[in-house]
Amino acid sequence: GEDVEQSLFLSVREGDSSVINCTYTDSSSTYLYWYKQEPGAGLQLLTYIFSNMDMKQDQRLTVLLNKKDKHLSLRIADTQTGDSAIYFCAESTGSGNTGKLIFGQGTTLQVKP
Amino acid sequence: DTEVTQTPKHLVMGMTNKKSLKCEQHMGHRAMYWYKQKAKKPPELMFVYSYEKLSINESVPSRFSPECPNSSLLNLHLHALQPEDSALYLCASSQDYGGEVSTNEKLFFGSGTQLSVL
Repeated sequence: GEDVEQSLFLSVREGDSSVINCTYTDSSSTYLYWYKQEPGAGLQLLTYIFSNMDMKQDQRLTVLLNKKDKHLSLRIADTQTGDSAIYFCAESTGSGNTGKLIFGQGTTLQVKP
Repeated sequence: DTEVTQTPKHLVMGMTNKKSLKCEQHMGHRAMYWYKQKAKKPPELMFVYSYEKLSINESVPSRFSPECPNSSLLNLHLHALQPEDSALYLCASSQDYGGEVSTNEKLFFGSGTQLSVL
């Protein structure tokens, strides 16, 4: 079945790089997403990658995709205290894009000053 | 305008009450979604509307009744809820739904309604 897994917690110091990892099971996933959720707020789409890409960079964010290992990572350079939030990895599944996202459990990123 | 607006932000209701959650977007999106999120958990899909028609109901109890009056509005009517229904209810929209494989159905989420059922 479809499953997305993430580690639950990551703590880094301000200014360091953060790397959040995710594994997924559906090899037919066309898009993979990273969402950020701050306390009491909805989910904000941070970035996404199409399954035929290996890497995507967007300012401080770098997404790496290893399709063979079904492994996705999000690297945040120069992590700031404002980056403290829960980060959800998600895959879109099914033939054709059904808009049905399968979310991981979320990784809580704690950034220490 | 890239916002999905949800009202109210907080709602407390008794088990015999009837209330409604509202969601609005003006991005011209034709697909709208309701998700339920418990604390420290990922969102769970409840309903999907595409072109104002219900496309997916993820076996949601009938005490939750969705309504899509037009392409910009989505409501969730609540009646006879249970305390375990307390959660953050998130609305989302996307440009389309069930399209081509190459379509990127990016979801835009609202800030949610934090619901407490007493």
